[in-house]
Amino acid sequence: LPVLTQPPSASALLGASIKLTCTLSSEHSTHTIEWCQQRPGRSPQYIMKVKSDGSHSKGDGIPDRFMGSSSGADRYLTFSNLQSDDEAEYHCGESHTIDGQVGYVFGTGTKVTVL
Amino acid sequence: EVQLVESGGGLVQPGGSLRLSCAASGFPFSSYDMHWVRQAAGKGLEWVSGIGSTGRSYYAGSVKGRFTISRENAKNSLYLQMNSLRAGDTAVYYCARSTDAFELWGQGTLVTVSS
Repeated sequence: LPVLTQPPSASALLGASIKLTCTLSSEHSTHTIEWCQQRPGRSPQYIMKVKSDGSHSKGDGIPDRFMGSSSGADRYLTFSNLQSDDEAEYHCGESHTIDGQVGYVFGTGTKVTVL
Repeated sequence: EVQLVESGGGLVQPGGSLRLSCAASGFPFSSYDMHWVRQAAGKGLEWVSGIGSTGRSYYAGSVKGRFTISRENAKNSLYLQMNSLRAGDTAVYYCARSTDAFELWGQGTLVTVSS
């Protein structure tokens, strides 16, 4: 099964930028991943998909200050002008098909703190 | 309004059964793949099961043989029949809509397996 690795936490100052990383297992390094945001006590909300070439497609209403990029097996979510409302858990995930069976795997999530 | 609303969660004893429902509205339900994703307290997201628009279903290894996903397009509803429940199944269960990403999530329903 694919494995997605995320650092457990990240922090930055209000108004600054922050870059989150999701690392795919090497044999799945070309896969597309998706990012979602989960504010405390809330359900997840889709942010964007990020492909291996760095192209990305955002969900409805996601502001321009959220950007996606890629380098090798790493997929990034960068957001600028950090706001208190951005304090949340950020999950990456990807779908896969093994022997005709569709499955889905998530990373362990990164908790973002706005200082 | 485009939304997903889960129901059916509650307290159940180990070995018991529970049926979750997800009511969809505001979009052509029959055209979308649908999924159940769970989250234990303080933990990350775990994909549980998915069902395609054609009715083909998929399961995580941890629930295969115990859980059954189904859909009733005429009622815009998704279901998860959970049997032989274990303490490790305790979690908030979310239903989610997907095309090539989980772009819409419900608010979740809590399932607690305890004696």
